[in-house]
Amino acid sequence: DQQVKQNSPSLSVQEGRISILNCDYTNSMFDYFLWYKKYPAEGPTFLISISSIKDKNEDGRFTVFLNKSAKHLSLHIVPSQPGDSAVYFCAATAGTYKYIFGTGTRLKVLA
Amino acid sequence: SQTIHQWPATLVQPVGSPLSLECTVEGTSNPNLYWYRQAAGRGLQLLFYSVGIGQISSEVPQNLSASRPQDRQFILSSKKLLLSDSGFYLCAWRNQGYSPLHFGNGTRLTVT
Repeated sequence: DQQVKQNSPSLSVQEGRISILNCDYTNSMFDYFLWYKKYPAEGPTFLISISSIKDKNEDGRFTVFLNKSAKHLSLHIVPSQPGDSAVYFCAATAGTYKYIFGTGTRLKVLA
Repeated sequence: SQTIHQWPATLVQPVGSPLSLECTVEGTSNPNLYWYRQAAGRGLQLLFYSVGIGQISSEVPQNLSASRPQDRQFILSSKKLLLSDSGFYLCAWRNQGYSPLHFGNGTRLTVT
């Protein structure tokens, strides 16, 4: 049972444009959501998080939006840079110790 | 600042051999510790987590085990590796409460 889903395995965006990565979840008990960036042969790096009491959180070029009614999470990167090319994972937890990850979306930013 | 060390970076082991991967965290006390695995082309699968010394929760039935002999040390073991144990193993830590996981650089395990 995949509780956190990233339905787009890959995404290509032109440098300077907006990248939008999407994530859907099924467990209505999830109340803390996170985005990670991962380069090959490295561990994931934490980017940004949001709690369920908010619908938006911003940190520099990264903004996470949460739509609880749709059980949908998105990460916006503006402007996209070639160094943003990586695999992005969303994750969620229901206030417990278990953090559930999606399968990842590979972002390629074209120069 | 907190740091996490995970070793070795790569490992090639024959089927049936034992396994021991080690992870240590510095700069924090009583962290929650985690082992995840990323199989080729797949997401991050939670294997074990620990909320304290000697306290291990297993998420997936398998021939792997974990131990936490010290507050900031987490070990992943197997007595006999299977081909299906190949993957990228990641250790992570976090503070209590709503806080992000912080990952080590991972161990690429290939079972031949």
